Amino acid sequence: AQSVTQLGSHVSVSEGALVLLRCNYSSSVPPYLFWYVQYPNQGLQLLLKYTSAATLVKGINGFEAEFKKSETSFHLTKPSAHMSDAAEYFCAVSVSFQKLVFGTGTRLLVSP
Amino acid sequence: NAGVMQNPRHLVRRRGQEARLRCSPMKGHSHVYWYRQLPEEGLKFMVYLQKENIIDESGMPKERFSAEFPKEGPSILRIQQVVRGDSAAYFCASSPPRRGKGNTIYFGEGSWLTVV
Repeated sequence: AQSVTQLGSHVSVSEGALVLLRCNYSSSVPPYLFWYVQYPNQGLQLLLKYTSAATLVKGINGFEAEFKKSETSFHLTKPSAHMSDAAEYFCAVSVSFQKLVFGTGTRLLVSP
Repeated sequence: NAGVMQNPRHLVRRRGQEARLRCSPMKGHSHVYWYRQLPEEGLKFMVYLQKENIIDESGMPKERFSAEFPKEGPSILRIQQVVRGDSAAYFCASSPPRRGKGNTIYFGEGSWLTVV
């Protein structure tokens, strides 16, 4: 069975600082991996996805993630945080595109 | 191209009533998914449907919950005899017919159900 673990339910950074949100996956077959962002009382917006092409995936709003098979990780990064990045971020794994298995989410707090 | 449309956005029901949540997929999308998000939790898969067919309902509670995606009209998630534990955000998502790798699932803005 596939699963993802997001380390840290809350991450706080200062505006302009590096953002690092951690995601480790478990899958017996090559996974597809996704990062979604959720703003308060809104739906999920896809940030980026990994589908076994390039291991470094660039997404929207300056985010990127690197697939590391040896570490079973797919951490999300952004060089410089902006106040508008404050939201909940979800990592998800799928092997078939039919069903996504989500992590429990990481709330990113950005202080001035 | 309108996104995934869900209504109502907010729904309040008394215990024992029925809740009906509607979802219109994006244009050209024939696959619909329902997910539930309980407070302080991630999204949990409920059901995957194509037109007139339930493909995977492994995440649906065995009782009181049902889903359909008729040939015409939106997909409906129906919860009968609601209980307080059904209070959650219900998200619909859709995707186009699969063409191998690269399919993305697009989410609606959710329907927030409150059972009082």
